[in-house]
Amino acid sequence: GQNIDQPTEMTATEGAIVQINCTYQTSGFNGLFWYQQHAGEAPTFLSYNVLDGLEEKGRFSSFLSRSKGYSYLLLKELQMKDSASYLCAGPMDSNYQLIWGAGTKLIIKP
Amino acid sequence: DGGITQSPKYLFRKEGQNVTLSCEQNLNHDAMYWYRQDPGQGLRLIYYSQIVNDFQKGDIAEGYSVSREKKESFPLTVTSAQKNPTAFYLCASTTSGGQETQYFGPGTRLLVL
Repeated sequence: GQNIDQPTEMTATEGAIVQINCTYQTSGFNGLFWYQQHAGEAPTFLSYNVLDGLEEKGRFSSFLSRSKGYSYLLLKELQMKDSASYLCAGPMDSNYQLIWGAGTKLIIKP
Repeated sequence: DGGITQSPKYLFRKEGQNVTLSCEQNLNHDAMYWYRQDPGQGLRLIYYSQIVNDFQKGDIAEGYSVSREKKESFPLTVTSAQKNPTAFYLCASTTSGGQETQYFGPGTRLLVL
C-alpha cells in the first residue's frame, strides 16, 4: 500500500529555522498537502504542492520533488505559537482519499 | 460565516451503546469525510461521501455507520460493534474530491465510560 513517512518529533529554538521532511512512495500520488494541528484542535491547511519546486508563503515554505517522493516544510523565524504537529498528506489520483502521515510534533524552546 | 460544525465536543459512551456524532457544513461542498485520530497516529479514514445518498467505506469502517440524506449533513454512528471507540473524531469536506483542500470541523472526543 501507499505510505507516507515523517519524523515523530523535532525540537527547535524560537527565532530559528526548522525543516520537516516527508517521504512517500512515488506511484499514485498527485501532489502533497501540509497541515498544521495544534493539540486538541483540528488540522488547518498550510500548503499544497502539485508541481516540483519551492513555494513560499510568508514564514512557511514547502518543497516537492515528485521523482524522489520527497517534500519538506520549512518554517522560518520560529515563534512559540508554531509549536504544533505538522501533517503531510498525499491525494491518490485513483479515488477521493488522502493518505496521511502520522505527523511531526514540533517543540519550540525559548 | 461558512464552515463545518461538529457536536458534541465531548461524548461519553457506555458499553453496548450506539452514539451519533453530528457534522454539518454550509460551504456547499459535495464531498464529506470522517476520520479517526489516535495519539501518535495519522488520520485514518472511516467513511466518505462524494454526493448525497452515496457513501463509501474507508480503511476502518467496521463498527461505524453513516448516512448522507442532505448535502449539508454527514452524521457518524459509532455502534456497539466498535470495541475500541475512544478517539478524536474529525469531519472534513471538500468542494468535490481528494485533490482539493480539506476543511475540518473542530472535532469530537469520544470517551468510553
